[in-house]
Amino acid sequence: KNEVEQSPQNLTAQEGEFITINCSYSVGISALHWLQQHPGGGIVSLFMLSSGKKKHGRLIATINIQEKHSSLHITASHPRDSAVYICAVKGGYGNKLVFGAGTILRVKS
Amino acid sequence: DAGVIQSPRHEVTEMGQEVTLRCKPISGHDYLFWYRQTMMRGLELLIYFNNNVPIDDSGMPEDRFSAKMPNASFSTLKIQPSEPRDSAVYFCASSAARTTSTDTQYFGPGTRLTVL
Repeated sequence: KNEVEQSPQNLTAQEGEFITINCSYSVGISALHWLQQHPGGGIVSLFMLSSGKKKHGRLIATINIQEKHSSLHITASHPRDSAVYICAVKGGYGNKLVFGAGTILRVKS
Repeated sequence: DAGVIQSPRHEVTEMGQEVTLRCKPISGHDYLFWYRQTMMRGLELLIYFNNNVPIDDSGMPEDRFSAKMPNASFSTLKIQPSEPRDSAVYFCASSAARTTSTDTQYFGPGTRLTVL
């Protein structure tokens, strides 16, 4: 069993839909990151969470430490949101990140 | 700031050759990370440095891989000899952690390595 599990693996949505991507982890952590990898390959850090909720534009990330679960929500999705979204955790493993397999999101116009 | 700089962006080499990947972290960042990304295994941490000192190299696959950070503005990842299974995208990232739980890592554009 992977230490970081993401679901779904693939997601296709229509423009405007509300999207949720989930991340579960199996050990105690000090922080959880959500990353976005563009089709060209570049990786951008979206959020870093240790508790509660963060919002940036149309993106919202939540974390439940007790349930070892985080969600990334995208409101009013747009084709430019099409990317791979990666969850990564830190804390049970020193200062290094352990990554989920990623969720491939495609938003159709 | 220019962000994390990696070179080369693409490298094609033949099996058995030495490959050197280069990274310049963001100025002032005291952590540097090397990652590898493949279709089969996703993103994996290879090694990370703090203040130029290797802290954890448990992700380095074998002795053919070595990494150095001679100063705060430069790091190399070397593969010698290279093998086709080393083909992957190699990312460098840096962060300026005031505490280990609050940093954000900034990724470079990656080096796409193909070993024939």
